[in-house]
Amino acid sequence: SQQGEEDPQALSIQEGENATMNCSYKTSINNLQWYRQNSGRGLVHLILIRSNEREKHSGRLRVTLDTSKKSSSLLITASRAADTASYFCATLKGATNKLIFGTGTLLAVQP
Amino acid sequence: DAMVIQNPRYQVTQFGKPVTLSCSQTLNHNVMYWYQQKSSQAPKLLFHYYDKDFNNEADTPDNFQSRRPNTSFCFLDIRSPGLGDAAMYLCATSRDPGTYSNQPQHFGDGTRLSIL
Repeated sequence: SQQGEEDPQALSIQEGENATMNCSYKTSINNLQWYRQNSGRGLVHLILIRSNEREKHSGRLRVTLDTSKKSSSLLITASRAADTASYFCATLKGATNKLIFGTGTLLAVQP
Repeated sequence: DAMVIQNPRYQVTQFGKPVTLSCSQTLNHNVMYWYQQKSSQAPKLLFHYYDKDFNNEADTPDNFQSRRPNTSFCFLDIRSPGLGDAAMYLCATSRDPGTYSNQPQHFGDGTRLSIL
């Protein structure tokens, strides 16, 4: 399977703490994207990092990419209860627009 | 607001009874995708349209078909739903990918399909 792996599978933290999720993938990529999915809803694009970038920030989100290790991490700082959701990494394969999703991390932020 | 809209949000059908799920977009995107997502799993791509060109995934069952009559609409037809087809079905769009595209995908809120 080309599917990426994410860890942890589930993460429970208190409001105000930081949350870190990791993603590993198997093939060479053009970019890596992170999506959030609230329960029973569609996926929302959070951030995209290109293969020639190492770090990217967007508000409380920080994404790193290490192409030599085929891994990425998503850090959410100062978490809020509203951040409770599943988070998926997804890689874009080759000269296509087909995303390969990771297995996802279920984040629960306790108020 | 430009968006991806899926109707209905919840669909119940009987075992073996054909069902159609619909997706519309106001983003004027070239590419439309259908994903199947089962509980606690990642979305799995079924097929996608690049304009009128249909691209099926190798492991998508023949039971699943799709139509795209125009840029704005795309339909997912399940000819004879089985119990294993109960899932959330997500529609997504993206702009013309070109080569080595860096375009995100825009998702609808999905249709949750139940099979009786």
